[in-house]
Formats: sequence, C-alpha cells, structure tokens
Amino acid sequence: KAGVTQTPRYLIKTRGQQVTLSCSPISGHRSVSWYQQTPGQGLQFLFEYFSETQRNKGNFPGRFSGRQFSNSRSEMNVSTLELGDSALYLCASSAAGTSGRVEQFFGPGTRLTVL
Amino acid sequence: AQSVAQPEDQVNVAEGNPLTVKCTYSVSGNPYLFWYVQYPNRGLQFLLKYITGDNLVKGSYGFEAEFNKSQTSFHLKKPSALVSDSALYFCAVRGLYRNYGGSQGNLIFGKGTKLSVKP
Repeated sequence: KAGVTQTPRYLIKTRGQQVTLSCSPISGHRSVSWYQQTPGQGLQFLFEYFSETQRNKGNFPGRFSGRQFSNSRSEMNVSTLELGDSALYLCASSAAGTSGRVEQFFGPGTRLTVL
Repeated sequence: AQSVAQPEDQVNVAEGNPLTVKCTYSVSGNPYLFWYVQYPNRGLQFLLKYITGDNLVKGSYGFEAEFNKSQTSFHLKKPSALVSDSALYFCAVRGLYRNYGGSQGNLIFGKGTKLSVKP
C-alpha cells in the first residue's frame, strides 16, 4: 500500500507570491491533516479535513487555506507569502485500523523556502 | 486556553532501562492527547492517542502512555528502552468541544523532548 505522498517536495517562492501544496492520502483514508514545522515555532497544526469538510482548525491567518476533494486528496494554499512562512509542511492521513485504534501516517513533507 | 508542556528538553536512558517522557497539559473540557515521534531523517510518526476510556493507552513500537486527570499529565513510557528509540518526541493536546470552529479543535504541540538511549 502506497504511503502518503506530498508534492512538490521542495519549493522556492518569493514574498507576495502564492503557493499550493498537494497531499495524496493512503488509499481508504478519509481524514487528512496539515502541519507546519519550523525551528522557531516548532510543530503547529493547520487544519484537518474529513470527507471534504474542515473538521478542526489551528490558529493561522486567513492566508492559509485548504480543501479536500472527493477522492480524499487535499491541497493547502498560502497566499501573499511572507518570509516567516518558510517551513516544512507536513500532511498526514488517518483512519481507524483493524484493531479499532486510530492509525495516522505522515508524508515526507514539502520544504517551502520564501525569499 | 490550551497548553502543553514537556518539561525536559532531553532525557538520557541506558538501553534496557525503562523510559519516561513527561507531558502535562491544560485544556478546558475533556482532552484528546497524542504522542508523536520524529526519528532523524525518517519523518514524523504517530505513536498513540487518548480520547476516553482506559487511562493506559498502548501504542506503536511498545510505547504506552498513562493519562492522569488529577495531575493533568500524559507521560509516555516504555518498559525497556532500545538504542533505536533515540528520537525527538512530541506531546499534543486538543480540547474536546461540542462544536468545532475557530480556535476550538486546535491541536497544540509541546516543544519536544529529545530521547537519547545509550548502549
């Protein structure tokens, strides 16, 4: 079974531009969540989608948005990029495993650099 | 407001000894609690989650965590540490609310604890 894939893996943008990151979850997983990781702020939660509906949301400005499609693939968009948006953006997909316990798997991340 | 604290930046353990990585939290309402691990060059991995029920939650790789409501703690434990357990461990908390929106349903991460297991 293929893991969580994120594209692109690396991205360089300039301030003021906008960017779209993509995440394909593990087949059968309907929940996708997004996270930002930086050396200064650590790990921060962006949002979570389940069956195309945003279920949970972190404390990020409106420049950060996301969506989920009917095939569970998800995209996140950052508009008007700022230098501080440089980070590793992680996506994870989750579902209940055969034991009933939640299983969550992370993708390798997209490394975004804003110049 | 939600918060989570990992009071130790680093924990050093000898291989074969039991390990504990500490986490305390503050949240209104009933918490969802999580542990994650980030191995060097291997990305972030989910270890376990507590929602309700048994205070002892079993997770991946032989790890377990104990929920203590009176002490607002959710410490990660393993009976016998392995060198391969050396990694960065993150605790996280989400408040359980009836409605999700805005800052409700946010997931707050601790700063992380570096676990070093020596042979």
